[in-house]
Amino acid sequence: QKEVEQDPGPLSVPEGAIVSLNCTYSNSAFQYFMWYRQYSRKGPELLMYTYSSGNKEDGRFTAQVDKSSKYISLFIRDSQPSDSATYLCAFDPISSGSARQLTFGSGTQLTVLP
Amino acid sequence: GAVVSQHPSRVICKSGTSVKIECRSLDFQATTMFWYRQFPKQSLMLMATSNEGSKATYEQGVEKDKFLINHASLTLSTLTVTSAHPEDSSFYICSAKTTGFSDQPQHFGDGTRLSIL
Repeated sequence: QKEVEQDPGPLSVPEGAIVSLNCTYSNSAFQYFMWYRQYSRKGPELLMYTYSSGNKEDGRFTAQVDKSSKYISLFIRDSQPSDSATYLCAFDPISSGSARQLTFGSGTQLTVLP
Repeated sequence: GAVVSQHPSRVICKSGTSVKIECRSLDFQATTMFWYRQFPKQSLMLMATSNEGSKATYEQGVEKDKFLINHASLTLSTLTVTSAHPEDSSFYICSAKTTGFSDQPQHFGDGTRLSIL
């Protein structure tokens, strides 16, 4: 079983749609949960960062974490063509030492059609 | 927000050339920096982790003599691809984070697209 599972897509939706992106994970040591957006030929941009179960909202984006089910989601409301990108979930464990490595999902490619 | 600057954004050079890529944290002190490699339509692959003032820790399969990492200050890390060959062509991305009581996430540079002819 992979440590992180993310549907690679591609996902294509009309402008204005609600988008749901999901990741499951198996490592109970993951305590910090992130969503990054990556445009083509650019580095990942941090969208959401949370460490607790529940919902966190930032504008049109809502991150949801369910630690008991080991499942995280990113919802995008009123999707725009500018949201077209690859979305990566990422996980940060609690561990000793100062350098903690992220574990990434494989990324979901999203296209929002005008 | 936290900004990480990576330079250059694009390099095209001949086989055998050594290429240096710089990663700077612009508005925070980065005690830890990470170097990744990304192939088309794939996720990021961690190459190495560097902590300021100490030797980098390389992931399995990454040649430390091939990919030299220097993290000489709290705002700058460099990756040098020595004697680059066409198989080294890839998208290289750095990230930086600071650690402390209130942990912060990693912030990424915009990447360097390296093409070896």
